[in-house]
Amino acid sequence: QKEVEQNSGPLSVPEGAIASLNCTYSDRGSQSFFWYRQYSGKSPELIMSIYSNGDKEDGRFTAQLNKASQYVSLLIRDSQPSDSATYLCAVIITGGFKTIFGAGTRLFVKA
Amino acid sequence: EPEVTQTPSHQVTQMGQEVILRCVPISNHLYFYWYRQILGQKVEFLVSFYNNEISEKSEIFDDQFSVERPDGSNFTLKIRSTKLEDSAMYFCASSEAGGSYGYTFGSGTRLTVV
Repeated sequence: QKEVEQNSGPLSVPEGAIASLNCTYSDRGSQSFFWYRQYSGKSPELIMSIYSNGDKEDGRFTAQLNKASQYVSLLIRDSQPSDSATYLCAVIITGGFKTIFGAGTRLFVKA
Repeated sequence: EPEVTQTPSHQVTQMGQEVILRCVPISNHLYFYWYRQILGQKVEFLVSFYNNEISEKSEIFDDQFSVERPDGSNFTLKIRSTKLEDSAMYFCASSEAGGSYGYTFGSGTRLTVV
């Protein structure tokens, strides 16, 4: 069974701090990795994609990938209360047409 | 910005009844998906659809489920005989390239089976 594991949280950070979210995956052959944000009662929204080892930055978000360790992370700099949401790590399974989602980490940013 | 549209937003149905959930994917996307999310649980893959046929399905997607693209714009999920455990949020998603660039999700249909 291909799995994506995340710490469910909640992770609580003060406004302006860096939030660090982590994810591990079991399918060593996976090539495409994503972070989605899901507000309560809403649908997932794609915020970052990463395909090669290293860092990828987009505004306040940085995704990090380490394929050898099968580890993906998301850093949110200058966290805002509006960043409070559940962050879903997602992986495309090798040879398949589906994306597998982790259970998500709930983030609270305190004003 | 292009959107994936789902209707209805909320449907209540009696156990054993058939329901059809509707989706209009983004017009230039070729890959379509249905996912579900039981309250408080993870987003679970149901089925992927490409070139007018199912490309992959999960164990959840049993004979009670079917998908169809009846015309050039709609993509539907039918549940033939609903069970209480089918109560969930159902999300339709579409993508350009097999999901390699990520999905765009619709706003979901909350299905409540009573």
